[in-house]
Amino acid sequence: NAGVTQTPKFQVLKTGQSMTLQCAQDMNHEYMSWYRQDPGMGLRLIHYSVGAGITDQGEVPNGYNVSRSTTEDFPLRLLSAAPSQTSVYFCASRPGRRRNTEAFFGQGTRLTVV
Amino acid sequence: DAKTTQPNSMESNEEEPVHLPCNHSTISGTDYIHWYRQLPSQGPEYVIHGLTSNVNNRMASLAIAEDRKSSTLILHRATLRDAAVYYCILPNTGNQFYFGTGTSLTVIP
Repeated sequence: NAGVTQTPKFQVLKTGQSMTLQCAQDMNHEYMSWYRQDPGMGLRLIHYSVGAGITDQGEVPNGYNVSRSTTEDFPLRLLSAAPSQTSVYFCASRPGRRRNTEAFFGQGTRLTVV
Repeated sequence: DAKTTQPNSMESNEEEPVHLPCNHSTISGTDYIHWYRQLPSQGPEYVIHGLTSNVNNRMASLAIAEDRKSSTLILHRATLRDAAVYYCILPNTGNQFYFGTGTSLTVIP
């Protein structure tokens, strides 16, 4: 049981490049989310999904795109990378709609935009 | 949506109990109180959650005030491995987790 798997672990991009951060979970969880964490800060919610085909925006969605074609995968796309998107990105999943469910986090992707 | 307030940092001596407070004065009757921690260079991990009654698990205890406007995460014997940032979270009406800056716990050997 791998849990939540994020790839890659590290990435360096040039300004203006696009890329996709991958997130996969093998727990059949309905809820999946993407967060970013800047140095010395807490996690901020970028986008989330409550099931396949359903996505919504969080606190800081600008510059990012998501889709959820399967229960297992929730990729995060950077459309045109900017230095302000340099951050550590975490993906999370939860079993479902009840508020008493535990969230599982990936180990993060450290992204640097130069 | 209810907000939480935590101290920025706390210190504890190794092998002593630690009480990490969280204020959530605008909590509603259906809000669960969740605690997560983030070890250095890792993703957050679940610690404990509760609704009204005090809760215990292998990692910690959660003490919830009778009026539910505050709670305390209790680590019974702090170890060096407990040094982390601890987040108190109330899922919002959309059942999403919004993180604050948490409490950075330093454990002194």
